[in-house]
Parts: sequence; C-alpha cells; structure tokens
Amino acid sequence: GNSVTQMEGPVTLSEEAFLTINCTYTATGYPSLFWYVQYPGEGLQLLLKATKADDKGSNKGFEATYRKETTSFHLEKGSVQVSDSAVYFCALTSGGSNYKLTFGKGTLLTVNP
Amino acid sequence: DVKVTQSSRYLVKRTGEKVFLECVQDMDHENMFWYRQDPGLGLRLIYFSYDVKMKEKGDIPEGYSVSREKKERFSLILESASTNQTSMYLCASIGQGHGSNQPQHFGDGTRLSIL
Repeated sequence: GNSVTQMEGPVTLSEEAFLTINCTYTATGYPSLFWYVQYPGEGLQLLLKATKADDKGSNKGFEATYRKETTSFHLEKGSVQVSDSAVYFCALTSGGSNYKLTFGKGTLLTVNP
Repeated sequence: DVKVTQSSRYLVKRTGEKVFLECVQDMDHENMFWYRQDPGLGLRLIYFSYDVKMKEKGDIPEGYSVSREKKERFSLILESASTNQTSMYLCASIGQGHGSNQPQHFGDGTRLSIL
C-alpha cells in the first residue's frame, strides 16, 4: 500500500534560517506529491505539488523536487519567517478514480523572531 | 475559489450521544472526504463519498457512519460518541475528472470534545 514518512518535529528555527523537512514515500504506480500547510486554527491548504519525476513545485518561497530515484519530496525554504509557523504535511495520491490522499504525520514548525 | 464549510468550529458532547458533523461545498464536487486529525498520527481517512448516496470506508470507519443525500452536503455521524473520538475532524472535496494531480480543498475543521 501507499505510505508517507516525514521528518518528526517539532522543528524550531530562528527567522531567516534555512528550512528542510524530509519526506519519503512508498506508492504503487506513479503518484502525485503534495505539501499541505495548516496554520493555527485553520484547515489544510495546498502549499505546492509535483506530478511527475523531476518536477519542482514552488510557492511562497518554498520548494520541493519530485525525486523518483530516492522516492523523496523534501520541502525547503531558504529564509523562513515567523509567519511560516505552522504544521506541514506531505501527501500523495497514486491515481485511480477516488482521489484518496495518503498523509504523513505532519511536522510542526515554529519560527522565532 | 472553492469553499468548504463545516458547520461548527468547536463542539462539546457527552458520551453516548449521537453526534452529527456537517460539511457543505459550493463547487458541485462529486468527491467528499472526512478525516480525523490527531497529534502524532496525522490525518486519517474515515469515509469518503464519490457521488450522492454513495460511500466507501476509509482507514478508520469503526464507530462512524456518513450520509450524502445531496451533492453539496456530506455528514459524518458518531452513532454513540465515546471519549476516544475526541479529535479534530476535517472535511475535504474534489471534483471528478480533475485528475489525481489536483488538490483536495479542506474546511477549517471541527474540534470535537466528548466528555
């Protein structure tokens, strides 16, 4: 079956630090990969996605590259801000008609001024 | 923009009560989902529905049922609430034919406490 393993938190950084949150996956077929973000008190919203090998998703200064050879989709940002404090979820769908998402357990990021 | 609305942000119920969580989406999406979110466990799929009156079990359906009488509304039912169902519940939707590379759209969640 499908599974997603992401770096356990919590992660605490100072403002302007470099961020990496690791994510690896196991899936049948050719999955699409997503990073979702959940700000305090809110639901999940899509941060970025990649649909095939070597695709790079990017948004709000965050990037992640779909690496089929290492089955990874690590999230990076060069300079984090206090407003980036949130929970980050790596997820995948592996095709088919039911659009089911498989999520990692989430990583809590806290950025201090 | 897609809007997924969950009827309550916070809910407190007692053990043994029948609890209804409501979710409405405004984009005519065929597929709707209910997840629960717990610290250290991430999001786990309870049930999903791919059309009116159609439903399928997710990974943790025990103790829950669902209803989809209208396309825009997907209800999660706790038949007899128990304390281990205290959690954050998230609803999501996506349209048919959007492809698996499109994201699900989430509501803001209902934080349910069972006393």
